[in-house]
Amino acid sequence: GAGVSQSPSNKVTEKGKDVELRCDPISGHTALYWYRQSLGQGLEFLIYFQGNSAPDKSGLPSDRFSAERTGGSVSTLTIQRTQQEDSAVYLCASSLGGRGYEQYFGPGTRLTVT
Amino acid sequence: AQSVSQHNHHVILSEAASLELGCNYSYGGTVNLFWYVQYPGQHLQLLLKYFSGDPLVKGIKGFEAEFIKSKFSFNLRKPSVQWSDTAEYFCAVTLAGSSNTGKLIFGQGTTLQVKP
Repeated sequence: GAGVSQSPSNKVTEKGKDVELRCDPISGHTALYWYRQSLGQGLEFLIYFQGNSAPDKSGLPSDRFSAERTGGSVSTLTIQRTQQEDSAVYLCASSLGGRGYEQYFGPGTRLTVT
Repeated sequence: AQSVSQHNHHVILSEAASLELGCNYSYGGTVNLFWYVQYPGQHLQLLLKYFSGDPLVKGIKGFEAEFIKSKFSFNLRKPSVQWSDTAEYFCAVTLAGSSNTGKLIFGQGTTLQVKP
């Protein structure tokens, strides 16, 4: 079946601009995670959505970062006023539930802030 | 804060050599343990996982890992590597317990290069 998809695959933006990254999880997966993979920091958790529960935003690095998940499916990660240190690969993963279930990763969006 | 440490950042082996990648975590409670692999140009994918039971777990492509609770370790092994095992390997943990979300805490990764 279809896996996790993310768009765009690559995004180049100027410092100070806002960007939106999209994630389509596997159908039926109630849990959705965003991670960031960067050279300096490795793979870091950003935010977690599970059904209708309040999201776990504990990994968001600043208030410039926000995310939504509409209708329990598609998620959008928004970065406002991008900075060069935001350059990274943003990964989305989904799972059947939260804790205790395997997470399936998408291909990522490579963000470059110039 | 909880953390995961992978001791080897870059490993170079010849085909048929044996592999062991070290992974240690810092957390006193119950954890679930994972090894993920990222082949060049591909997604992160799960190699194997440990939740409970037999501490020696077997995964895909001939990989196995052993959970040693007393050492807070979950080392990855393969008796004979192939050129196709060239990839980046990530150890990760999630914290067990009903208040935890299942977010993965990753190690820094180990790049494995297998020479034909």
